[in-house]
Amino acid sequence: EVQLVESGGGLVQPGGSLRLSCVASGFTFSSYWMYWVRQAPGKGLVYVSDIKSDGSSTRYADSVKGRFTISRDNAKNTLYLQMNSLRAEDTAVYYCARGPPSLDYWGQGTLVTVSS
Amino acid sequence: QSALTQPASVSGSPGQSITISCTGTSSDVGGYNYVSWYQQHPGNAPKLMIYGVSNRPSGVSNRFSGSKSGNTASLTISGLQAEDEADYYCSSYTSSATWVFGGGTKLTVL
Repeated sequence: EVQLVESGGGLVQPGGSLRLSCVASGFTFSSYWMYWVRQAPGKGLVYVSDIKSDGSSTRYADSVKGRFTISRDNAKNTLYLQMNSLRAEDTAVYYCARGPPSLDYWGQGTLVTVSS
Repeated sequence: QSALTQPASVSGSPGQSITISCTGTSSDVGGYNYVSWYQQHPGNAPKLMIYGVSNRPSGVSNRFSGSKSGNTASLTISGLQAEDEADYYCSSYTSSATWVFGGGTKLTVL
Protein backbone atom coordinates (compact mmCIF):
# COMPACT_ATOMS: atom_id res chain seq x y z
CA GLU A 1 0.00 0.00 0.00
CA VAL A 2 1.36 3.39 -1.00
CA GLN A 3 1.73 5.74 1.96
CA LEU A 4 3.03 9.28 2.25
CA VAL A 5 3.41 10.73 5.74
CA GLU A 6 4.30 14.39 6.21
CA SER A 7 5.75 15.92 9.35
CA GLY A 8 7.53 19.04 10.51
CA GLY A 9 4.74 21.57 10.44
CA GLY A 10 4.00 23.96 13.27
CA LEU A 11 3.88 27.57 14.37
CA VAL A 12 6.73 29.81 13.25
CA GLN A 13 7.29 33.56 13.36
CA PRO A 14 7.49 35.63 10.19
CA GLY A 15 11.00 35.46 8.80
CA GLY A 16 11.60 32.09 10.41
CA SER A 17 12.43 28.70 8.93
CA LEU A 18 10.93 25.24 8.95
CA ARG A 19 11.78 21.93 7.29
CA LEU A 20 9.03 19.59 6.23
CA SER A 21 9.56 15.88 5.67
CA CYS A 22 7.54 13.30 3.79
CA VAL A 23 8.31 9.63 4.32
CA ALA A 24 7.21 7.33 1.52
CA SER A 25 6.47 3.62 1.60
CA GLY A 26 4.79 0.99 -0.54
CA PHE A 27 6.45 1.92 -3.83
CA THR A 28 9.89 2.47 -5.36
CA PHE A 29 10.42 6.05 -4.18
CA SER A 30 13.54 6.56 -6.30
CA SER A 31 11.53 6.03 -9.52
CA TYR A 32 9.10 8.90 -9.09
CA TRP A 33 9.03 12.65 -9.29
CA MET A 34 7.65 14.08 -6.05
CA TYR A 35 5.66 17.20 -5.37
CA TRP A 36 4.71 19.67 -2.66
CA VAL A 37 1.28 21.28 -2.92
CA ARG A 38 -0.20 23.65 -0.34
CA GLN A 39 -3.67 24.76 0.65
CA ALA A 40 -4.28 27.89 2.70
CA PRO A 41 -7.19 27.68 5.16
CA GLY A 42 -10.46 27.69 3.23
CA LYS A 43 -8.65 28.15 -0.08
CA GLY A 44 -7.70 26.05 -3.08
CA LEU A 45 -4.74 23.86 -3.98
CA VAL A 46 -1.55 25.55 -5.10
CA TYR A 47 1.52 23.92 -6.65
CA VAL A 48 4.69 24.69 -4.67
CA SER A 49 7.57 22.62 -5.99
CA ASP A 50 8.64 19.34 -7.54
CA ILE A 51 11.78 17.26 -7.87
CA LYS A 52 12.93 14.64 -10.34
CA SER A 53 13.28 11.04 -9.26
CA ASP A 54 17.07 11.26 -8.89
CA GLY A 55 17.04 14.78 -7.45
CA SER A 56 18.83 16.27 -10.45
CA SER A 57 16.06 18.69 -11.40
CA THR A 58 13.89 20.93 -9.24
CA ARG A 59 11.16 23.45 -10.03
CA TYR A 60 9.34 26.04 -7.97
CA ALA A 61 6.32 28.29 -8.05
CA ASP A 62 7.30 31.93 -8.41
CA SER A 63 5.83 32.68 -4.97
CA VAL A 64 8.41 30.51 -3.19
CA LYS A 65 11.40 30.69 -5.54
CA GLY A 66 14.53 31.71 -3.66
CA ARG A 67 12.98 30.98 -0.26
CA PHE A 68 12.05 27.29 -0.43
CA THR A 69 14.29 24.35 -1.34
CA ILE A 70 13.04 20.91 -2.24
CA SER A 71 15.30 17.89 -1.83
CA ARG A 72 15.12 14.15 -1.37
CA ASP A 73 17.04 11.26 0.14
CA ASN A 74 16.25 8.16 -1.89
CA ALA A 75 18.12 5.95 0.57
CA LYS A 76 15.70 7.07 3.29
CA ASN A 77 12.62 7.27 1.03
CA THR A 78 12.15 10.81 2.23
CA LEU A 79 11.18 14.07 0.55
CA TYR A 80 12.00 17.43 2.14
CA LEU A 81 10.94 21.04 1.85
CA GLN A 82 13.20 23.60 3.50
CA MET A 83 11.25 26.81 3.97
CA ASN A 84 13.09 30.02 4.82
CA SER A 85 12.02 33.66 5.16
CA LEU A 86 8.50 32.53 5.91
CA ARG A 87 5.62 34.97 5.46
CA ALA A 88 2.07 35.04 6.77
CA GLU A 89 0.85 34.09 3.29
CA ASP A 90 2.79 30.81 3.52
CA THR A 91 0.32 29.63 6.16
CA ALA A 92 -1.24 26.46 4.76
CA VAL A 93 -1.52 22.72 4.91
CA TYR A 94 1.40 21.32 2.95
CA TYR A 95 0.85 18.05 1.08
CA CYS A 96 3.44 15.84 -0.53
CA ALA A 97 2.28 13.87 -3.53
CA ARG A 98 3.60 11.37 -6.06
CA GLY A 99 3.63 12.07 -9.77
CA PRO A 100 3.64 12.85 -12.64
CA PRO A 101 1.78 13.40 -14.92
CA SER A 102 -0.92 13.36 -12.31
CA LEU A 103 -0.65 13.30 -8.53
CA ASP A 104 -1.97 9.83 -7.84
CA TYR A 105 -1.12 9.55 -4.15
CA TRP A 106 -1.18 12.27 -1.50
CA GLY A 107 -0.20 12.45 2.13
CA GLN A 108 -2.57 13.77 4.78
CA GLY A 109 -0.71 17.04 5.00
CA THR A 110 1.07 19.02 7.70
CA LEU A 111 -0.08 22.46 8.87
CA VAL A 112 2.33 25.38 8.78
CA THR A 113 1.24 28.53 10.57
CA VAL A 114 3.29 31.71 10.18
CA SER A 115 2.32 34.21 12.83
CA SER A 116 3.82 36.37 15.53
CA GLN B 1 1.12 31.35 -13.53
CA SER B 2 -2.56 32.25 -13.06
CA ALA B 3 -4.94 29.67 -11.64
CA LEU B 4 -7.24 27.86 -14.02
CA THR B 5 -10.82 29.15 -13.95
CA GLN B 6 -13.53 26.97 -12.43
CA PRO B 7 -17.06 27.89 -11.33
CA ALA B 8 -17.17 28.48 -7.60
CA SER B 9 -20.11 26.16 -7.13
CA VAL B 10 -22.40 23.75 -8.91
CA SER B 11 -25.33 21.73 -7.65
CA GLY B 12 -27.55 18.90 -8.73
CA SER B 13 -30.10 16.44 -7.44
CA PRO B 14 -29.39 12.76 -6.85
CA GLY B 15 -29.42 10.85 -10.11
CA GLN B 16 -28.78 13.92 -12.25
CA SER B 17 -25.62 14.77 -14.17
CA ILE B 18 -23.45 17.82 -13.67
CA THR B 19 -20.45 19.23 -15.51
CA ILE B 20 -17.64 21.32 -14.05
CA SER B 21 -15.58 23.40 -16.45
CA CYS B 22 -11.91 24.31 -16.18
CA THR B 23 -10.67 27.08 -18.45
CA GLY B 24 -7.05 27.86 -19.07
CA THR B 25 -4.94 28.98 -22.00
CA SER B 26 -2.96 27.50 -24.86
CA SER B 27 0.01 27.47 -22.47
CA ASP B 28 -1.60 24.97 -20.16
CA VAL B 29 -4.94 23.21 -20.71
CA GLY B 30 -4.99 23.82 -24.46
CA GLY B 31 -1.39 22.88 -25.03
CA TYR B 32 -1.09 19.58 -23.23
CA ASN B 33 -3.14 16.46 -22.55
CA TYR B 34 -2.03 16.51 -18.93
CA VAL B 35 -5.26 17.62 -17.29
CA SER B 36 -6.23 15.97 -14.03
CA TRP B 37 -9.21 16.26 -11.70
CA TYR B 38 -9.16 15.84 -7.93
CA GLN B 39 -11.93 15.35 -5.39
CA GLN B 40 -11.50 16.66 -1.86
CA HIS B 41 -13.86 16.04 1.03
CA PRO B 42 -13.60 18.39 4.04
CA GLY B 43 -10.60 17.61 6.20
CA ASN B 44 -9.23 15.05 3.76
CA ALA B 45 -6.41 15.00 1.24
CA PRO B 46 -7.28 15.34 -2.45
CA LYS B 47 -8.03 12.16 -4.40
CA LEU B 48 -7.22 11.70 -8.08
CA MET B 49 -10.39 11.13 -10.12
CA ILE B 50 -9.29 11.74 -13.74
CA TYR B 51 -5.83 11.91 -15.36
CA GLY B 52 -4.64 12.57 -18.87
CA VAL B 53 -7.88 14.47 -19.64
CA SER B 54 -10.17 11.46 -19.68
CA ASN B 55 -8.62 8.47 -17.93
CA ARG B 56 -9.95 7.02 -14.69
CA PRO B 57 -7.61 5.48 -12.12
CA SER B 58 -8.44 2.02 -10.92
CA GLY B 59 -11.22 2.13 -8.35
CA VAL B 60 -12.83 5.37 -9.50
CA SER B 61 -16.47 5.02 -10.51
CA ASN B 62 -17.29 5.16 -14.22
CA ARG B 63 -19.83 7.85 -13.32
CA PHE B 64 -16.87 10.23 -13.51
CA SER B 65 -15.65 11.26 -16.96
CA GLY B 66 -13.39 13.93 -18.38
CA SER B 67 -13.00 15.71 -21.68
CA LYS B 68 -11.31 18.70 -23.28
CA SER B 69 -12.06 21.12 -26.07
CA GLY B 70 -9.55 23.82 -26.86
CA ASN B 71 -8.52 25.62 -23.67
CA THR B 72 -11.38 24.21 -21.58
CA ALA B 73 -11.49 20.87 -19.81
CA SER B 74 -14.61 19.41 -18.25
CA LEU B 75 -15.48 16.91 -15.55
CA THR B 76 -18.88 15.25 -15.80
CA ILE B 77 -20.44 13.30 -12.96
CA SER B 78 -23.46 11.26 -13.91
CA GLY B 79 -25.98 9.62 -11.59
CA LEU B 80 -25.14 12.04 -8.77
CA GLN B 81 -24.88 10.50 -5.33
CA ALA B 82 -24.74 12.08 -1.91
CA GLU B 83 -21.11 11.02 -1.45
CA ASP B 84 -20.11 13.04 -4.53
CA GLU B 85 -20.63 16.22 -2.54
CA ALA B 86 -17.11 17.64 -2.26
CA ASP B 87 -14.70 20.19 -3.69
CA TYR B 88 -13.29 19.45 -7.14
CA TYR B 89 -10.05 20.82 -8.56
CA CYS B 90 -8.61 20.63 -12.05
CA SER B 91 -4.90 20.75 -12.75
CA SER B 92 -2.74 21.09 -15.84
CA TYR B 93 0.89 20.97 -16.87
CA THR B 94 2.12 24.33 -18.16
CA SER B 95 4.60 25.67 -20.68
CA SER B 96 6.70 26.85 -17.72
CA ALA B 97 7.29 23.17 -16.89
CA THR B 98 5.30 23.55 -13.69
CA TRP B 99 1.75 22.73 -12.73
CA VAL B 100 -1.29 24.90 -12.11
CA PHE B 101 -4.54 24.16 -10.31
CA GLY B 102 -7.98 25.59 -10.73
CA GLY B 103 -9.58 27.59 -7.95
CA GLY B 104 -11.88 24.72 -7.04
CA THR B 105 -15.61 24.04 -7.40
CA LYS B 106 -17.90 23.15 -4.52
CA LEU B 107 -20.40 20.50 -5.59
CA THR B 108 -23.63 20.40 -3.61
CA VAL B 109 -25.97 17.42 -3.95
CA LEU B 110 -29.44 18.77 -3.25
